Amino acid sequence: DSGVTQTPKHLITATGQRVTLRCSPRSGDLSVYWYQQSLDQGLQFLIQYYNGEERAKGNILERFSAQQFPDLHSELNLSSLELGDSALYFCASSLGGTSGSETQYFGPGTRLLVL
Amino acid sequence: GNSVTQMEGPVTLSEEAFLTINCTYTATGYPSLFWYVQYPGEGLQLLLKATKADDKGSNKGFEATYRKETTSFHLEKGSVQVSDSAVYFCALRGSGGSNYKLTFGKGTLLTVNP
Repeated sequence: DSGVTQTPKHLITATGQRVTLRCSPRSGDLSVYWYQQSLDQGLQFLIQYYNGEERAKGNILERFSAQQFPDLHSELNLSSLELGDSALYFCASSLGGTSGSETQYFGPGTRLLVL
Repeated sequence: GNSVTQMEGPVTLSEEAFLTINCTYTATGYPSLFWYVQYPGEGLQLLLKATKADDKGSNKGFEATYRKETTSFHLEKGSVQVSDSAVYFCALRGSGGSNYKLTFGKGTLLTVNP
């Protein structure tokens, strides 16, 4: 158990809908990262938050947004969903996010299926 | 930009066989290198890491050495077990600027048969 929790574990929805994925980081970690794992793209970095502020952005679509709240939990919002958004979404956390050697700890993921 | 290339497999071995999964990278500066493992139906777990050239990371019988001259971080284990069956990801993290993300290889599926 990494200490990172994600809910829900599974999500099935229809095209055009909007969903919210939730992540609670390990106790004491200030940085949260979101990654998407799909069969064709592999593991892709989406976005990072540090202590409530956006720190870095990756290949995140404009239909996707995220935020980190004062209690440090984070939510990833996916809107106008398309079939291609079906994937496993991981959240990871790390202590500060400013050191290259810092370990990122991953949650169990949310499996999203868009029908 | 940064990139990681690893052998895609799948790799199928018998129990107690020797394992090597190749990983090479492209990055500027001095990245940190990681191996993560994903067991069926689970999230990613850190297996080992190395943060500078010639460092050797090791855990649970797995080893990998950070070779800057060949830009490689190959994963090895002397004697695999059925319980090692999983997908293995090589990853790097940049050394400065806004390079806080992990860049992953495509993963290697390992199946160990009894």
